Amino acid sequence: DSGVTQTPKHLITATGQRVTLRCSPRSGDLSVYWYQQSLDQGLQFLIQYYNGEERAKGNILERFSAQQFPDLHSELNLSSLELGDSALYFCASSVDGTSMADTQYFGPGTRLTVL
Amino acid sequence: AQKVTQAQTEISVVEKEDVTLDCVYETRDTTYYLFWYKQPPSGELVFLIRRNSFDEQNEISGRYSWNFQKSTSSFNFTITASQVVDSAVYFCALSGLKTSYDKVIFGPGTSLSVIP
Repeated sequence: DSGVTQTPKHLITATGQRVTLRCSPRSGDLSVYWYQQSLDQGLQFLIQYYNGEERAKGNILERFSAQQFPDLHSELNLSSLELGDSALYFCASSVDGTSMADTQYFGPGTRLTVL
Repeated sequence: AQKVTQAQTEISVVEKEDVTLDCVYETRDTTYYLFWYKQPPSGELVFLIRRNSFDEQNEISGRYSWNFQKSTSSFNFTITASQVVDSAVYFCALSGLKTSYDKVIFGPGTSLSVIP
C-alpha cells in the first residue's frame, strides 16, 4: 500500500458526461501528479500541483482540469467525455515535487470507461 | 531527444527461471536518473528503483538486480528465481537529474508472465 488513495476505483459513464476523480496524497506529501494510461498512448503525465498551486502541465486536454485543495487532496475533472478518454487515471504524490531524489508514490488508479 | 526503449513487449518464463528485462535509453543529458516501476495485474504502479547516472554500481535487492551500463546506455533488470507474483508489466523510465517528475519519460513497458 503506497499510502496514496484514489476514488472511485471504477467509473463507467457515457459520452458527453462529466466526472470527477479524487486523490489523497501520502501524509506529508505536498505534491500531487495526475497521469493517464491508455493502451495506445502509454503512461502520460497530465498535471502537477504543489501545495495548492499548479506546478507543471503536460499533455492535458482543455476539457480536463484539476485542482489541489488546502487539505492537499486533489481532484481531476474530465468533461465532455469522449470514447477515447477511457483509460486508467493515476494519481501520484511526492514530498516536495522539486527534487528527483524524492520518491514518487502512485495510487491504485481509477479506471474510467466511457460508453 | 530523450527516449526509453523496452524492446521486449511480452516475456513468458516458467517459475524459478531467471529473467532479464532490457531497457535502453537515449539522452543528451550528462546527468540523469533511471527508474524501474512494476504494474501488477491489480493495476497500481509500484516504484522499484531509482539510479543516479553517477553511480554505475550494480544493485541487488533480494531476487531483483539491476545492471547499469553507461557505455551501452542500458539499465537492465534481472529477476532471479522468478515467482508467479512477479507477473506484471515493468516500466523503465528516464529523467534529467535536475528536473522534476513531470519530465520523466516512460518506456512502453514489458509484460512478464511467470507460469507456475
